[in-house]
Amino acid sequence: GENVEQHPSTLSVQEGDSAVIKCTYSDSASNYFPWYKQELGKGPQLIIDIRSNVGEKKDQRIAVTLNKTAKHFSLHITETQPEDSAVYFCAASKGFGNEKLTFGTGTRLTIIP
Amino acid sequence: DADVTQTPRNRITKTGKRIMLECSQTKGHDRMYWYRQDPGLGLRLIYYSFDVKDINKGEISDGYSVSRQAQAKFSLSLESAIPNQTALYFCATSGRPAGNEQFFGPGTRLTVL
Repeated sequence: GENVEQHPSTLSVQEGDSAVIKCTYSDSASNYFPWYKQELGKGPQLIIDIRSNVGEKKDQRIAVTLNKTAKHFSLHITETQPEDSAVYFCAASKGFGNEKLTFGTGTRLTIIP
Repeated sequence: DADVTQTPRNRITKTGKRIMLECSQTKGHDRMYWYRQDPGLGLRLIYYSFDVKDINKGEISDGYSVSRQAQAKFSLSLESAIPNQTALYFCATSGRPAGNEQFFGPGTRLTVL
């Protein structure tokens, strides 16, 4: 089955700096890669996703890049703000019709004011 | 009102007891999932259901069972709870038109003494 590794497990950055979280996956058939943000006491919430036919996707301060050959994808957050402090999870699946997600182990991001 | 609700939100029980966690959704989605979250391990899939007549085991189904009573309801049972089932449990849903995105409930914190 699919295996998703995520690094780092914790990350602290100064407010205004950028943060990068990296994930690798094992199953070359995976073609959908979402990122979820989990705030304290809440369930995870999708913040951005990318499909295997795209190399990069941006949404305001958040971007995701995908390297299919190397089987890794990354989350980039620019101009970090205190509200970006949360736990972030990457995941992989084989796409619509087979939406079973395999999650990474999570990254606790702390923004230092 | 929340689209995905879970009851109870917190539960303390004793070893050997049978316990049921319930999930309801108003999103009209056909796909529902149960995950458990443990520190440092991320979210792991217990069971999933792509429609009322479809039940599938996830990566950690031993010691658990599920029932899909209706399209909107998916319950998780621990037949005989043990302390290493102490965890945070999440229900999630997905389906058209959102496609791959999974929507998570607020979670149930279960403690087995």
